[in-house]
Amino acid sequence: GAVVSQHPSRVICKSGTSVKIECRSLDFQATTMFWYRQFPKQSLMLMATSNEGSKATYEQGVEKDKFLINHASLTLSTLTVTSAHPEDSSFYICSARGGGEGTRTDTQYFGPGTRLTVL
Amino acid sequence: QKEVEQNSGPLSVPEGAIASLNCTYSDRVSQSFFWYRQYSGKSPELIMSIYSNGDKEDGRFTAQLNKASQYVSLLIRDSQPSDSATYLCAVRTTGFQKLVFGTGTRLLVSP
Repeated sequence: GAVVSQHPSRVICKSGTSVKIECRSLDFQATTMFWYRQFPKQSLMLMATSNEGSKATYEQGVEKDKFLINHASLTLSTLTVTSAHPEDSSFYICSARGGGEGTRTDTQYFGPGTRLTVL
Repeated sequence: QKEVEQNSGPLSVPEGAIASLNCTYSDRVSQSFFWYRQYSGKSPELIMSIYSNGDKEDGRFTAQLNKASQYVSLLIRDSQPSDSATYLCAVRTTGFQKLVFGTGTRLLVSP
């Protein structure tokens, strides 16, 4: 149990375009999902916490209008980077908090990440 | 003071040795403690969780928790070159949804 997938794994886009990243919990229901960003050789940075059916809670300094998060179901959350710029190039990782068989409700399971490159 | 502190390393150990990774945390009411491993360019993967004082063993890994000292550690026995990675300590406080991560300790195991 506790498999989290992300799609796409890698994306290259032009500056000014929007990119959507999907995060799915494959074998459990995740009432809470988290979105992180990680720049090379730096630590994980939490961007936002997403609860199913409600608005995401963004960390200080993260622009909610630029990073749109939708958590429409118990198994799917999406992050849309709007009007992406080269400085948004990073490794975006989602995680889901467990709750089904084989998982713990206080444990976060990470997806494989999405590497975004904005030209 | 950072909420979760780890020595960034690198910690270098020879193959077959015991690697000892340490983590301290500042919030006394923290209840859940986790160790994640992150290979370069990959996302973190859960190694172990620990909730009670004492030791918890899983294969070559042993997590140790001392709530009085606000200290959690991870021991890796018979270290292998494939253990070379960054190890992240994470702490969760009851009532809060998110984990607080340390910056990670880079472990290098030389053949």
